[in-house]
Amino acid sequence: DGGITQSPKYLFRKEGQNVTLSCEQNLNHDAMYWYRQDPGQGLRLIYYSQIVNDFQKGDIAEGYSVSREKKESFPLTVTSAQKNPTAFYLCASSSDREQPQHFGDGTRLSIL
Amino acid sequence: QKEVEQNSGPLSVPEGAIASLNCTYSDRVSQSFFWYRQYSGKSPELIMSIYSNGDKEDGRFTAQLNKASQYVSLLIRDSQPSDSATYLCAVGIPYSGGGADGLTFGKGTHLIIQP
Repeated sequence: DGGITQSPKYLFRKEGQNVTLSCEQNLNHDAMYWYRQDPGQGLRLIYYSQIVNDFQKGDIAEGYSVSREKKESFPLTVTSAQKNPTAFYLCASSSDREQPQHFGDGTRLSIL
Repeated sequence: QKEVEQNSGPLSVPEGAIASLNCTYSDRVSQSFFWYRQYSGKSPELIMSIYSNGDKEDGRFTAQLNKASQYVSLLIRDSQPSDSATYLCAVGIPYSGGGADGLTFGKGTHLIIQP
């Protein structure tokens, strides 16, 4: 079945540690996105990529980094510079800019 | 900063009635609008997309768009207890070449369908 797979489902970060969240899709979608959701809040855009080897900052990119080396993969690294990383992280994809985005099941990141 | 506003609720509706959810947005040039349903602890699920003024119907759901008033709404007919969830309004961030670069979300409206 086609879909978006995020892993791990739960992740714990120690102080000063970088962690990487995985997002893989087998939908052959060109566009991929990362959002962050805090309790009781809407989603906020971190980074997006419309094509392989190209990505753009969203509204809250500070403390995060991404890569897009393959069409199907868009990993997000939460760096130690992100001082408040505890949140629900959601990856989405769409076939192109005109089409709706569909989401993976998300990764919950907490601080140890 | 582009904004999307929703009443956080909770909005309580009797089973079988019509639930009406509303959303306003600040970016006048926005062209794409979406409603997502999110159950507690889960990821958002696309319910409706709408791009033109007027109504768009899909089963029990109707999305309404009024670009002049910068207003989007979602109607749920014959509400069921399984419709109880948070409904997120999302607006496409316009891209100069057409389409959208990501979405701006409202904080969501918590809907409760009372049996």
